[in-house]
Amino acid sequence: GNSVTQMEGPVTLSEEAFLTINCTYTATGYPSLFWYVQYPGEGLQLLLKATKADDKGSNKGFEATYRKETTSFHLEKGSVQVSDSAVYFCALKDTGGFKTIFGAGTRLFVKA
Amino acid sequence: NAGVTQTPKFQVLKTGQSMTLQCAQDMNHNSMYWYRQDPGMGLRLIYYSASEGTTDKGEVPNGYNVSRLNKREFSLRLESAAPSQTSVYFCASSERSGTGGEGNQPQHFGDGTRLSIL
Repeated sequence: GNSVTQMEGPVTLSEEAFLTINCTYTATGYPSLFWYVQYPGEGLQLLLKATKADDKGSNKGFEATYRKETTSFHLEKGSVQVSDSAVYFCALKDTGGFKTIFGAGTRLFVKA
Repeated sequence: NAGVTQTPKFQVLKTGQSMTLQCAQDMNHNSMYWYRQDPGMGLRLIYYSASEGTTDKGEVPNGYNVSRLNKREFSLRLESAAPSQTSVYFCASSERSGTGGEGNQPQHFGDGTRLSIL
């Protein structure tokens, strides 16, 4: 079945450091891929998405590229801020499907 | 600009009590979902409703029931609460893509209900 694997956290960085959170997936066909972010006490919210191979999703300085050859969708940001501290979830959704498969989440702490 | 609204935000129950978690969305989405979030377990799908009038089991449906009351509302009921159901519960909704499926549409989440069962 479909699955998403993302790097375990927590990840602790200093402000202005480079961020990478790895995500790989297993799926048949051509799923859509998402990154969601969850701030303390809130629900998940969409950060970015990509719907086909080689697409790059971007938002708020975060980027991720849909790599079908490596079945990956790694999240990157060139310079993190304290306000980026949150839990990040990688997810996939089959074309035509109704269910989203979420990774376990990666907690990010950014120190001033 | 409410999006997905969940009530209550917090609740404490005793083992064996029942309660209903309410969820409403104002985005005219067809599909709605209930998840639970536990430490180290990520999000697990309890039930979902692909469209008004239909409901289906997710990954962890035991001990729960749902009702899709209308297009806006999707409630989750615990008939006899157990300590293992202590969790944070999230409702989400999603719109249908133009092709009839929902392959590239994201989910929109409420802020959650924090439920403790003693």
